[in-house]
Amino acid sequence: QVQLQESGPGLVKPSGTLSLTCIVSDDSISTNNWWNWVRQSPGKGLEWIGEIFHTGSTNYNPSLKSRVTMSVDKSKNQFSLNLRSVTAADTAVYYCAKAPIVVIPSAFSYMDVWGKGTTVTVSS
Amino acid sequence: EIVLTQSPGTLSLSPGERGTLSCRASQSVSRNYLAWYQQKPGQAPRLLIYGASSRATGIPDRFTGSGSGTDFILTISRLEPEDFAVYFCHQYGSSPLTFGQGTRLEIK
Repeated sequence: QVQLQESGPGLVKPSGTLSLTCIVSDDSISTNNWWNWVRQSPGKGLEWIGEIFHTGSTNYNPSLKSRVTMSVDKSKNQFSLNLRSVTAADTAVYYCAKAPIVVIPSAFSYMDVWGKGTTVTVSS
Repeated sequence: EIVLTQSPGTLSLSPGERGTLSCRASQSVSRNYLAWYQQKPGQAPRLLIYGASSRATGIPDRFTGSGSGTDFILTISRLEPEDFAVYFCHQYGSSPLTFGQGTRLEIK
């Protein structure tokens, strides 16, 4: 069973860049899965940030698209999230999640495996 | 953007009772791509149902998903103590993917 583990700074300054990595264990990242980022805050609930395929193809939430970049590092079997120009509204628990592609072609799928989540606070 | 509205906000029931949770979409969910998740405090969401009615691997058969179009239901036939948690619906049929605000299932 694949496992996911988020890592990155727990504190980011306002106007800075939030950078997180998700390490994929017990399976290759180069499989038929979308690799997602989702965040959860008391104010906004669960919010989908975007997804990436191992080829580098991405889909982003339009509400965050101007500030988000996702990337894949196949050599390290991990994928990453960069969120620029953060404010206090970006304070949340950030999860990475796997979404299997069960219908081809399909841009989206349900998320069947989640990391434990990492708390990121935006504050000076 | 598809807005998912869950009801009730909180459901108070006793173990052994039947729980019925509702999720209504602001527009039809493409291909009934609707999932349900369970979340306990301090934990990540856990997939229960996908495709509106398919049970995920390892999920007990007391969990049943139904519905189509804009109206979906999660039924828990006989509540076990470990079922008391928050439940979210999630549509993955169109971008942006969205989640409901959650239903808290608490012990009466």
